[in-house]
Amino acid sequence: SQKIEQNSEALNIQEGKTATLTCNYTNYSPAYLQWYRQDPGRGPVFLLLIRENEKEKRKERLKVTFDTTLKQSLFHITASQPADSATYLCARVNTGFQKLVFGTGTRLLVSP
Amino acid sequence: DTGVSQNPRHKITKRGQNVTFRCDPISEHNRLYWYRQTLGQGPEFLTYFQNEAQLEKSRLLSDRFSAERPKGSFSTLEIQRTEQGDSAMYLCASSLGTGKGSGNTIYFGEGSWLTVV
Repeated sequence: SQKIEQNSEALNIQEGKTATLTCNYTNYSPAYLQWYRQDPGRGPVFLLLIRENEKEKRKERLKVTFDTTLKQSLFHITASQPADSATYLCARVNTGFQKLVFGTGTRLLVSP
Repeated sequence: DTGVSQNPRHKITKRGQNVTFRCDPISEHNRLYWYRQTLGQGPEFLTYFQNEAQLEKSRLLSDRFSAERPKGSFSTLEIQRTEQGDSAMYLCASSLGTGKGSGNTIYFGEGSWLTVV
């Protein structure tokens, strides 16, 4: 089956450090990967999209990489802040953008 | 633009009752999606509309579930004869559906929490 896998254990880091979250996929090559942020009891909020032919995408303090050889995407938050504490979801997208397949999400906790 | 709006935000119902959730997408968005999310899991795709046409349904959408988008604007998701396993957050999302990269950003609502007791 076509799976998206994220580390289910929470990631604890100190304020100011760089947080790195991992998303692995198996058995296929997604055309796109998307990253979302989700706060408790809220809907996911879109952050970044990266295409399979893009190595890296940046937006402010966020950076996403896409390594088709390793079948992996990394999501980085530089100069992390306590307000960055949330669950981050990775999702693969089919070419027509009709459907997202999400990983379980990784919870990030940034301590002051 | 007020974003994707979902009602009610919370619903507690007894097993066997029917419930209906409503979703108002971002205006001018022609695509509308329903997802379900349980604690500790990512959202799971249920169904997708392009305008008023329901183009894809997940096998998760049993015959007790029905979704409609009668005029290509708002949508309803009805669950008949609810079971405890239906307890989850039901998320609606919409997108412009241009078929090109970033033009397909999918915007989610805040979700409707269902608790079946």
